[in-house]
Amino acid sequence: AQSVTQPDIHITVSEGASLELRCNYSYGATPYLFWYVQSPGQGLQLLLKYFSGDTLVQGIKGFEAEFKRSQSSFNLRKPSVHWSDAAEYFCAVGSYNTNAGKSTFGDGTTLTVKP
Amino acid sequence: GAVVSQHPSWVICKSGTSVKIECRSLDFQATTMFWYRQFPKQSLMLMATSNEGSKATYEQGVEKDKFLINHASLTLSTLTVTSAHPEDSSFYICSAKDRELRVEQFFGPGTRLTVL
Repeated sequence: AQSVTQPDIHITVSEGASLELRCNYSYGATPYLFWYVQSPGQGLQLLLKYFSGDTLVQGIKGFEAEFKRSQSSFNLRKPSVHWSDAAEYFCAVGSYNTNAGKSTFGDGTTLTVKP
Repeated sequence: GAVVSQHPSWVICKSGTSVKIECRSLDFQATTMFWYRQFPKQSLMLMATSNEGSKATYEQGVEKDKFLINHASLTLSTLTVTSAHPEDSSFYICSAKDRELRVEQFFGPGTRLTVL
């Protein structure tokens, strides 16, 4: 069974500081990995995804993530956080099963940005 | 591209009534749609997987008679909450998979249901 762990429930960073959100996954084969952001009362927006190839993935809004198979991790990073980045962030692992294609989500990390 | 809409965005209803939520893929064909429920400050909980033209597959613990899902076309899936009660109040989100893409899901903006 696939699973995702986001160890940090809540992270606070100062505006302009760097950010790293952790994500660890458990999956039997090559995973399909995603990071989503959710603002209050909104749906999920895809930040970036990893399917194969280059392990450093660039996304929207200046985010990037690195897939590390040896550590079963897919951490999200941003070099300089903006106040508008305050939101809920979800890591997810997808199934390649064409009958379902379900994704499993982590519990999320709430990001607070201090002025 | 890959836009998913939900209607309504919010709804308030009386206890005992039924509420229908629509999920549409606007610019692609979605062979599979997923319905999630999200409680405040929590992650998404998958309720069911909906495949066009067939019965939905419900996750364990989800009452199929209470949460009726219909996926009648490649662009529309509906979730009907029957005989709604206050404990059904939640944020419901749908997502859709493009038939050409195997894993990636595109999410709707969500529907806030409040049952009085």
